[in-house]
Amino acid sequence: AQTVTQSQPEMSVQEAETVTLSCTYDTSESNYYLFWYKQPPSRQMILVIRQEAYKQQNATENRFSVNFQKAAKSFSLKISDSQLGDTAMYFCAFVTYNFNKFYFGSGTKLNVKP
Amino acid sequence: DAGVIQSPRHEVTEMGQEVTLRCKPISGHNSLFWYRQTMMRGLELLIYFNNNVPIDDSGMPEDRFSAKMPNASFSTLKIQPSEPRDSAVYFCASSLAYAGGTDTQYFGPGTRLTVL
Repeated sequence: AQTVTQSQPEMSVQEAETVTLSCTYDTSESNYYLFWYKQPPSRQMILVIRQEAYKQQNATENRFSVNFQKAAKSFSLKISDSQLGDTAMYFCAFVTYNFNKFYFGSGTKLNVKP
Repeated sequence: DAGVIQSPRHEVTEMGQEVTLRCKPISGHNSLFWYRQTMMRGLELLIYFNNNVPIDDSGMPEDRFSAKMPNASFSTLKIQPSEPRDSAVYFCASSLAYAGGTDTQYFGPGTRLTVL
């Protein structure tokens, strides 16, 4: 079975500080993609960052970076220099090469405080 | 480029009425997904299509729900008859699937459905 677990329902961080959101997953497949999506109060789902499982190098997008540990099946998101606009629900997801079905975690609500 | 387009953005209806939600995927994408999001259940996959063919509808709650994709640029999700517990935000998403992989999934803005 394919599962995604986000163990932190809610987190808070002060503006300009760094925060890390955790995600673990389970799959028997060896080839897959991992994603972090952001859902602000507007409810629009926005892609934050993507990682191919075959790549050892961690993906980075400006202030967002991931720590991908394939053996541990862990995929955490680090947000540096947090901004008020980062306040949102964050979802971890993956999709395997063989099946085009995306699996989402339950989300982590991040509050960035001024 | 236009993203995934959903209509209507908001729908308020009375219990027992038929509701039809519409989606236009990103041009060139060959996979389409319907999700439902509620506070209680989070984000749930209802059904997804590859090349207009339904692949997995195991998430469809019951026979009151049906989805169609008559062509590559249009899909509908119908609820008949609607019930108050169907109140949720319904998302459509699309992606490009290819041999040996799949690309990022892009979401529409969602349809907020309220059934009174």
